[in-house]
Amino acid sequence: AQSVTQPDIHITVSEGASLELRCNYSYGATPYLFWYVQSPGQGLQLLLKYFSGDTLVQGIKGFEAEFKRSQSSFNLRKPSVHWSDAAEYFCAVGAGGYNKLIFGAGTRLAVHP
Amino acid sequence: DAGVIQSPRHEVTEMGQEVTLRCKPISGHDYLFWYRQTMMRGLELLIYFNNNVPIDDSGMPEDRFSAKMPNASFSTLKIQPSEPRDSAVYFCASSQTVNNEQFFGPGTRLTVL
Repeated sequence: AQSVTQPDIHITVSEGASLELRCNYSYGATPYLFWYVQSPGQGLQLLLKYFSGDTLVQGIKGFEAEFKRSQSSFNLRKPSVHWSDAAEYFCAVGAGGYNKLIFGAGTRLAVHP
Repeated sequence: DAGVIQSPRHEVTEMGQEVTLRCKPISGHDYLFWYRQTMMRGLELLIYFNNNVPIDDSGMPEDRFSAKMPNASFSTLKIQPSEPRDSAVYFCASSQTVNNEQFFGPGTRLTVL
């Protein structure tokens, strides 16, 4: 069965520090992978997606993610975190025709000034 | 475009009452999704529609839940009768075609007392 694991429930970083959020997936075929961000009281916003091609994907707000098939991972990175990046981040895999998204449990990011 | 619109934003009701959540997708989007978000279970897909037709309702928890899409610009999720364990944030999302980004609404926070 398809699944997504985000090992870190909470992460705290200092403003200006680099960030890496981990995501591991389980899926039998080539996955469609997504990262979404959810600010408090808001819906989810797509940061970036991977369907095929270049395994390093650039997204909005300065985020990028790298697809590593050998490790079944799709980790999200940002070189320098801003206070406004504090939010919850969800990794998701597209399954069953790729409209059906399966989400990880999320990682809550706190940013210290 | 105003994005995906959901109403109400907050709903407080008593156990046993009927609850109706509403969603207006982005104009021109052919797919509509209903999700539920809880602390215990994270984000779960309940049901999705393509061109107003329900395609996959395997995530609907039980017969108390029903969803309709009478036209391309409106969908409802109904819970009858409601129970305290239905308390959650319910999101509606829409996408233009298969494999495209899902745009999420702001959610309806439901509290069943």
